[in-house]
Amino acid sequence: EVQLVESGGGLVQPGGSLRLSCAASGFTFSSYWMNWVRQAPGKGLEWVANIKQDGSEKYYVDSVKGRFTISRDNAKNSLYLQMNSLRAEDTAMYYCARPLHGGAYESFDRWGQGTLVTVSS
Amino acid sequence: DIQMTQSPSTLSASVGDRVTITCRASQSISSWLAWYQQKPGKAPNLLIYKASSLQSGVPSRFSGSGSGTDFTLTISSLQPDDFATYYCQQYNSYSTFGQGTRVEIK
Repeated sequence: EVQLVESGGGLVQPGGSLRLSCAASGFTFSSYWMNWVRQAPGKGLEWVANIKQDGSEKYYVDSVKGRFTISRDNAKNSLYLQMNSLRAEDTAMYYCARPLHGGAYESFDRWGQGTLVTVSS
Repeated sequence: DIQMTQSPSTLSASVGDRVTITCRASQSISSWLAWYQQKPGKAPNLLIYKASSLQSGVPSRFSGSGSGTDFTLTISSLQPDDFATYYCQQYNSYSTFGQGTRVEIK
């Protein structure tokens, strides 16, 4: 069974840092681009970043460029999101999402349960 | 950046109703559009991909149509389990979502 399990969320002060993790199982993780998608409380979905199978290409939404870094460890079947210089507007549930056919820009057929990041003093 | 606009924002309907949600892209996205259902406290669930392809395991009362800039999600006969929020997503260029359509009980 395909599973994506996020962790690492929590309460952080503005300007602080946090590292999210996503543990993948039940599929060949190294064959898939992977994504982070977030959802602010009571708001819609926002794609945040994605990363190629070998980590050689990474793309970000404009609002997080220069502050967030996506990475992966295929040996550990894990996806990461390093978040620096956090702002109140980064407060959201962060989901790890798998593309349907493994490509760069696709629909997402598997999602984790999410990890909540709250940026507040 | 491609903007996605859904309408309506909220829709009131009864069990058995035929429901249509629309999504408009700010520029052509060919057929690179997906629809999701999301219930409170849960992750989104993929319903439709490539504008009209039904995801495995999704009931056939859900259907999608459109290409270019205008798309629709139709639920042919609304069931109690269908009261939820629905999102469209374009993946022609990066990925952006619509703002959501909440389907509530009339």
